[in-house]
Amino acid sequence: KNEVEQSPQNLTAQEGEFITINCSYSVGISALHWLQQHPGGGIVSLFMLSSGKKKHGRLIATINIQEKHSSLHITASHPRDSAVYICAVRPSSDSNYQLIWGAGTKLIIKP
Amino acid sequence: SQTIHQWPATLVQPVGSPLSLECTVEGTSNPNLYWYRQAAGRGLQLLFYSVGIGQISSEVPQNLSASRPQDRQFILSSKKLLLSDSGFYLCAWKKAGTNSPLHFGNGTRLTVT
Repeated sequence: KNEVEQSPQNLTAQEGEFITINCSYSVGISALHWLQQHPGGGIVSLFMLSSGKKKHGRLIATINIQEKHSSLHITASHPRDSAVYICAVRPSSDSNYQLIWGAGTKLIIKP
Repeated sequence: SQTIHQWPATLVQPVGSPLSLECTVEGTSNPNLYWYRQAAGRGLQLLFYSVGIGQISSEVPQNLSASRPQDRQFILSSKKLLLSDSGFYLCAWKKAGTNSPLHFGNGTRLTVT
């Protein structure tokens, strides 16, 4: 079993829909990252969380440390949101920023 | 503001040829620097990280090496490329000593033929 599990693996939705991507992990962490990778490969860091909730534009990320679960939400989704969304955690025991990566969720938003 | 530059964006090299990928960071000093590789359909794997000039730590044994000749310059090299070196290589930086976010370059897509 992977230490970081994302669901769903693939998600196709219509423009305007509310999107939720989930991330569960099995290790103690000091931080959790949500990243976005576009088809060209470039990666953008969306959020880094250690507790609570963060919001940036139409994106919202939440984390429940006790349940070892995080969610990424996209409100009013748009075709330009189509990308792979990756969850990565930094274990509490880590000193070198060796992140544990989820497999990613491929999101396609249809117009 | 801080920026990270990585080049080239794409590269096609024959087996046995050398490799040099360069990454530079602007707008910060003494960053932690990282080289990741993403093989097709797989997650990111940390290859090397550096906490200072000349200080390189390798996470996996491989055909690659890294160097940090200057504070904000990180170079990924190989003397002789293998087919299995094909992949997407990402450079990243973060502020040293803090639990701050990673910032990624745009990546280099390497195809070894």
